Amino acid sequence: QQPVQSPQAVILREGEDAVINCSSSKALYSVHWYRQKHGEAPVFLMILLKGGEQKGHEKISASFNEKKQQSSLYLTASQLSYSGTYFCGTASGAGSYQLTFGKGTKLSVIP
Amino acid sequence: NAGVMQNPRHLVRRRGQEARLRCSPMKGHSHVYWYRQLPEEGLKFMVYLQKENIIDESGMPKERFSAEFPKEGPSILRIQQVVRGDSAAYFCASSPYSSNYGYTFGSGTRLTVV
Repeated sequence: QQPVQSPQAVILREGEDAVINCSSSKALYSVHWYRQKHGEAPVFLMILLKGGEQKGHEKISASFNEKKQQSSLYLTASQLSYSGTYFCGTASGAGSYQLTFGKGTKLSVIP
Repeated sequence: NAGVMQNPRHLVRRRGQEARLRCSPMKGHSHVYWYRQLPEEGLKFMVYLQKENIIDESGMPKERFSAEFPKEGPSILRIQQVVRGDSAAYFCASSPYSSNYGYTFGSGTRLTVV
């Protein structure tokens, strides 16, 4: 079942922060986050495995609450380069190879 | 390291023709996945392959679609007798082991059926 992302779209000014949420109705083993710019390939940002860890990547970090089957992506001090569509992809088992992606959150950062 | 290579980038086919989409995974990656993306939609899983084996094709339409990953050469996604509804972006991704290592996506093939 497809995870639900919120919000669907968000507009930020440079330097502002944003949170993108991903919720699933199924038990999850891992959550992946990708960013896709228009007309380009999705780019892997990070993966969070069962255990509730939080990860960071420059000014982008994420958390995973396995009990709530939710993950959140945090973007701080946003830059123009952060613009794009963010997708979460979920896997339900340790050996899962198939990711189920949400519909995406379109993030626009303006000067 | 050239990354995941897909070709062609753009493909136009008339209804009823065949479309062949190619994907060469990253060096050292033995797992290949094909996803389809419609405008304003997420990526929909189609098929997962390893060399010479189709592991899971549960996302593939039962008719007209097929995929292979031969011992030598790229993975091929083949769509026979294309229809307008097949127009989409088709992305190939690869990973070294299971998806727990994250995917590397190719740039996609944008198929337009006229």
